[in-house]
Amino acid sequence: TQLLEQSPQFLSIQEGENLTVYCNSSSVFSSLQWYRQEPGEGPVLLVTVVTGGEVKKLKRLTFQFGDARKDSSLHITAAQPGDTGLYLCAGAGNNNDMRFGAGTRLTVKP
Amino acid sequence: EPEVTQTPSHQVTQMGQEVILRCVPISNHLYFYWYRQILGQKVEFLVSFYNNEISEKSEIFDDQFSVERPDGSNFTLKIRSTKLEDSAMYFCASSEFRAYEQYFGPGTRLTVT
Repeated sequence: TQLLEQSPQFLSIQEGENLTVYCNSSSVFSSLQWYRQEPGEGPVLLVTVVTGGEVKKLKRLTFQFGDARKDSSLHITAAQPGDTGLYLCAGAGNNNDMRFGAGTRLTVKP
Repeated sequence: EPEVTQTPSHQVTQMGQEVILRCVPISNHLYFYWYRQILGQKVEFLVSFYNNEISEKSEIFDDQFSVERPDGSNFTLKIRSTKLEDSAMYFCASSEFRAYEQYFGPGTRLTVT
């Protein structure tokens, strides 16, 4: 079973601050996805990373996949209240399944 | 933009009853999935489905669960005899490639009383 550990579990910051959240595992993943989930809704795909060391940018969000494809980070620059939500990472292994971390719940205060 | 749809949005059932949760995946996707999320907990993988058969299932997906693609568009999850602990949000997802870029539906909230 591939376990994904996300940290921190909770993060509360002021608007305009920068932040980084982490997703770590002892397993190697063929790909890793980041999702954002609002209460009562399904996860919404933000990005997929595939290559070790890969960096992808989505506006103020920067995603990095570790060289060994075991970990990833999400950096948000100048956070806004609209960034508030639960950020989930999910890793795909060799089988046709995907395992989720427990998520980082981000609150950005105006 | 294509999206995954799920019905019903909320299902209330009595313990021991059978329920069928329905999903319409994105039309050109070939891989289909069901996940469960108990309130306040993590999203848990149940099963993946490809080429009209189960390709992977988790330890949660026991004999009371089954999946089916009865026609070219629907993908269903059946729970044969519901238990109180089956109460959760059930999400369907689909992807074009194996375990890659899965798109999720809005979920069905199942409440077992």
